[in-house]
Amino acid sequence: DVKVTQSSRYLVKRTGEKVFLECVQDMDHENMFWYRQDPGLGLRLIYFSYDVKMKEKGDIPEGYSVSREKKERFSLILESASTNQTSMYLCASSLSPGTKAEAFFGQGTRLTVV
Amino acid sequence: DAKTTQPPSMDCAEGRAANLPCNHSTISGNEYVYWYRQIHSQGPQYIIHGLKNNETNEMASLIITEDRKSSTLILPHATLRDTTVYYCIVRPYNTDKLIFGTGTRLQVFP
Repeated sequence: DVKVTQSSRYLVKRTGEKVFLECVQDMDHENMFWYRQDPGLGLRLIYFSYDVKMKEKGDIPEGYSVSREKKERFSLILESASTNQTSMYLCASSLSPGTKAEAFFGQGTRLTVV
Repeated sequence: DAKTTQPPSMDCAEGRAANLPCNHSTISGNEYVYWYRQIHSQGPQYIIHGLKNNETNEMASLIITEDRKSSTLILPHATLRDTTVYYCIVRPYNTDKLIFGTGTRLQVFP
């Protein structure tokens, strides 16, 4: 089975801290995604990576950056955490285009910024 | 990118077919329609996808209108465990980027 693992299930950080959310997938998928989920707003794409060191902005990239140095790992970075970044963060991976492109999600990280 | 419109909520009686509509009137000819559902406290789970033809798998059926401007996800015999949020997504042909919306919250009642 495909496994997408997020480093933390729950995280509490202080305003202004630099926060790293880590995601690892074990199926050699080319694509990886970071979403945030908020009540009433559904899932919103923050960043998308289609290869190592390649990234594309999603709908809400402001306040975030990403890093993909290795194929299996995709990191989301909050440069200076703010309270409006309190949310559930979901990582996903999928195979490359032309295929079923089914995305597999991690369990999510619930981040609280205080 | 083509956008999708779904009703925010729907009800269905247990054992009956649940028909979840999705409007994607700006879809292009080579864009796929995907359906996902969210399991409580977890990320979304793939259900089915299609391009032009109707599709069926062990979980559901997908009916796409001839003009491709709308589709319907059918859960043939809804159970209480099907109560969750369902997302309809259109994937552009030239990218694997998946853009989710707010989805439809399906409530299956006994």
